[in-house]
Amino acid sequence: SQWGEENLQALSIQEGEDVTMNCSYKTYTTVVHWYRQDSGRGPALIILIRSNEREKRSGRLRATLDTSSQSSSLSITAAQCEDTAVYFCATSSTGSKLSFGKGAKLTVSP
Amino acid sequence: GALVYQYPRRTICKSGTSMRMECQAVGFQATSVAWYRQSPQKTFELIALSTVNSAIKYEQNFTQEKFPISHPNLSFSSMTVLNAYLEDRGLYLCGARLQNTEVFFGKGTRLTVV
Repeated sequence: SQWGEENLQALSIQEGEDVTMNCSYKTYTTVVHWYRQDSGRGPALIILIRSNEREKRSGRLRATLDTSSQSSSLSITAAQCEDTAVYFCATSSTGSKLSFGKGAKLTVSP
Repeated sequence: GALVYQYPRRTICKSGTSMRMECQAVGFQATSVAWYRQSPQKTFELIALSTVNSAIKYEQNFTQEKFPISHPNLSFSSMTVLNAYLEDRGLYLCGARLQNTEVFFGKGTRLTVV
């Protein structure tokens, strides 16, 4: 879970493995954004899932959203070294600010 | 595609001086712009949310007197850090919202205070 953690969560996997990162939120949201942030750069939006969607896919990425449990997940299939980054989920309701989770640092080794 | 340019990418300023950073949305009109500060531990703090032709809303612990923001049109925003001190260090990020859904970020302005 990205919320409630004091420190950045760290995940280490081997190339080719699958990985899932989870995120739970406390306030109502209409959209969950998933970002990746590479070292020294700003967050880049990689997938966005709306409250009327349960699953969204984009290439090797798969996001799920369960509004009843207020949780979302991001899965990466067959991870590659270039997937190494910090991943954040962020929530927002229409027209309001983004609230970010603490983030998960993913390291994919060859 | 939607791009957000931020400049400068990094800046070093003396304690007590001020620095201005800019944010430009390219390829789209941003309905709102939010300024964040990211700590070395990667946590985000929202500084303020700015919507053109509306009052800028500052979060608790951030004030207009310390972080004045200018947002004159749908593609440009600037923020100044006045009287910067060590606690103001961090990566300042501009997030521009497209049509009330996607938010695109610039690469950030890294502020170092010496």
